[in-house]
Amino acid sequence: DARVTQTPRDKVTEMGQEVTMRCQPILGHNTVFWYRQTMMQGLELLAYFRNRAPLDDSGMPKDRFSAEMPDATLATLKIQPSEPRDSAVYFCASGSDAPSEAFFGQGTRLTVV
Amino acid sequence: AQSVSQHNHHVILSEAASLELGCNYSYGGTVNLFWYVQYPGQHLQLLLKYFSGDPLVKGIKGFEAEFIKSKFSFNLRKPSVQWSDTAEYFCAVNAYNQGGKLIFGQGTELSVKP
Repeated sequence: DARVTQTPRDKVTEMGQEVTMRCQPILGHNTVFWYRQTMMQGLELLAYFRNRAPLDDSGMPKDRFSAEMPDATLATLKIQPSEPRDSAVYFCASGSDAPSEAFFGQGTRLTVV
Repeated sequence: AQSVSQHNHHVILSEAASLELGCNYSYGGTVNLFWYVQYPGQHLQLLLKYFSGDPLVKGIKGFEAEFIKSKFSFNLRKPSVQWSDTAEYFCAVNAYNQGGKLIFGQGTELSVKP
């Protein structure tokens, strides 16, 4: 059963620490999305990649967030330094050639204290 | 600004009631449209999608949606809801002229009373 895998599932960290979230897209998918979900803002698109190249990261605070795809099987989202306002659930999703549906991972629940 | 709007933030229904959740988008050109569902504590799952063809699409669990191009709308419907339909519902748009971005509405929380 193909699925998007995200690690860790839960992360509690102190303000100022670096946080790295990982995503393994479904094999064969060439599009990866990163979303942040909060009660106030809903689902915000942070960044997305096609064929490992970043297409749009305008939704991401550039000073502290970075997203990369070191290879086709791994996408990472880093926050450095983390702040309490970054507390949210971060979802990764993957899809085949766009436009297409996206398949979501289980999410990483981040709490910054 | 281009966006996806869901009109209802929270809908409360009794079991067996009919459901209609509104979704409007502001992107021009060709679009693909989706409804996703998120059960409490879970990830988003696809309910149904529209790419082309018949504007009335049927999805899983008895849901359907109608694409009305002239109204830029893609409303979700279900004739008779069940308690197990309690969840948050998201409309999403993938516009060809947006380079493949998948943009979500704010979501509608549905509570079904047994």
